[in-house]
Amino acid sequence: AQTVTQSQPEMSVQEAETVTLSCTYDTSESDYYLFWYKQPPSRQMILVIRQEAYKQQNATENRFSVNFQKAAKSFSLKISDSQLGDAAMYFCAYGGGADGLTFGKGTHLIIQP
Amino acid sequence: KAGVTQTPRYLIKTRGQQVTLSCSPISGHRSVSWYQQTPGQGLQFLFEYFSETQRNKGNFPGRFSGRQFSNSRSEMNVSTLELGDSALYLCASSLAPDGLGNNEQFFGPGTRLTVL
Repeated sequence: AQTVTQSQPEMSVQEAETVTLSCTYDTSESDYYLFWYKQPPSRQMILVIRQEAYKQQNATENRFSVNFQKAAKSFSLKISDSQLGDAAMYFCAYGGGADGLTFGKGTHLIIQP
Repeated sequence: KAGVTQTPRYLIKTRGQQVTLSCSPISGHRSVSWYQQTPGQGLQFLFEYFSETQRNKGNFPGRFSGRQFSNSRSEMNVSTLELGDSALYLCASSLAPDGLGNNEQFFGPGTRLTVL
């Protein structure tokens, strides 16, 4: 079974600074997808960014980018120019197997004004 | 395009009762997945339906069941409720079933179930 580990239960960053959230995963598959989801206090889970494992190029979406290291099974999320609206729980997720999405425990991101 | 909708948003039940939660996917999406979210266990996969068929099931007891209708709307049912079933139940829809290409799932706002 796949596992996803987020080692940072909570992170705090000053507004306008850059923060990196860590995620490692374990799988024996070669083809899969990785995702970062954001869950604000309103609880609606929102997709932030996705990465296909067969693509070597790191995905980017505006201020959000990933550092995907397939051999190391690492998938970190970098948020540049942090904004107050970025405050939320961030979940790393693995997809591609037969067990739906496998989520990490989440990282609570605090943005200090 | 309307997002994923879940009803009801909040529910209070007592132990031993049963409950049915509903999920309407985004128009055109045929895959619906259900997740349970608790502070202790985090997000856990319950099951996935595609074209009215259960494709995958997570490690949950048989008290948890679901179904999908021809219009892709899905329901999940929990029988003989236990205190530990208190959780946020999230539904997600996608164009394709898990493992077949587009795994991007769009989540609904969830149903908060409290079991007393």
